[in-house]
Amino acid sequence: DIVMTQTPLSLSVTPGQPASISCKSSQSLLHSDGKTYLYWYLQKPGQPPQLLIYEVSNRFSGVPDRFSGSGSGTDFTLKISRVEAEDVGVYYCMQSIQLLYTFGQGTKLEIK
Amino acid sequence: EVQLVESGGGLVQPGRSLRLSCAASGFTFDDYAMHWVRQAPGKGLEWVSGISWNSGSIGYADSVKGRFTISRDNAKNSLYLQMNSLRAEDTALYYCAKANYGAILWGNYFDYWGQGTLVTVSS
Repeated sequence: DIVMTQTPLSLSVTPGQPASISCKSSQSLLHSDGKTYLYWYLQKPGQPPQLLIYEVSNRFSGVPDRFSGSGSGTDFTLKISRVEAEDVGVYYCMQSIQLLYTFGQGTKLEIK
Repeated sequence: EVQLVESGGGLVQPGRSLRLSCAASGFTFDDYAMHWVRQAPGKGLEWVSGISWNSGSIGYADSVKGRFTISRDNAKNSLYLQMNSLRAEDTALYYCAKANYGAILWGNYFDYWGQGTLVTVSS
C-alpha cells in the first residue's frame, strides 16, 4: 500500500497570511500514462470532504484561485496564498495511482 | 444537481450484518465508478471500496476484504455496501462518493460526496 504522509498535522494562520501543507507518498504517483494521481480535499467542520485540486495542480470547479497545488513524483504541496476564515477545516491529500486508494492523515487548519 | 443520499446505517452488534445504500441523482449513474469512503469518529478518511461503471472492476481495502461486498444497480441508480462480520473498528460515518469516470483501477478522484450514514458496531 502507498503511504501518504502529511506535514504539519495542524497549523494556525492569521487571516490574509499564506499557508502551506506538504504531502509525501511512499511511492511515485507518476503513472505510465504521464499523469500524476495526487489530489487535495478539504473537509469543513460537519461536512463531507470537497475536492480542491486534482492531478497535482488543477483546481476543481468553483475552487478559489488562492488555492494552488504543486509537486511531482513523491513530494507535493498545497498552498493557500491568503487564508480566509472559510478555509478552516482538515485538508487531506489522496493518491489513486493504484487501486487501494489512500489518504494522508489530514492537516487541521485553524484561524488565529 | 448531483445528489448522493446514503441510508442503512445504525447500531449493530459485533458479528452482525448491515447493508448500506446510496441513491444517486443528477447525473448519468451508469457512466461513472462509485466508491465508499469511511471516517471513524474523530479520525481521518479511509477508502473502503470501489466499483466500476459496469461492475466489471471492484476493489476493497484490506481491512474489509472478505467481509464487505460492494454492488450497484444501474437501473435503480443505486450503490450498495453489504457489510458482514462487523467489528467495533468498523464504526464510522460511511460516505458514498462519485468518481470522475467509469473505471477504477487508477486515476479516480471523488468529485461529489453524500452526507454519510453512521454505522456503530457495539454490544
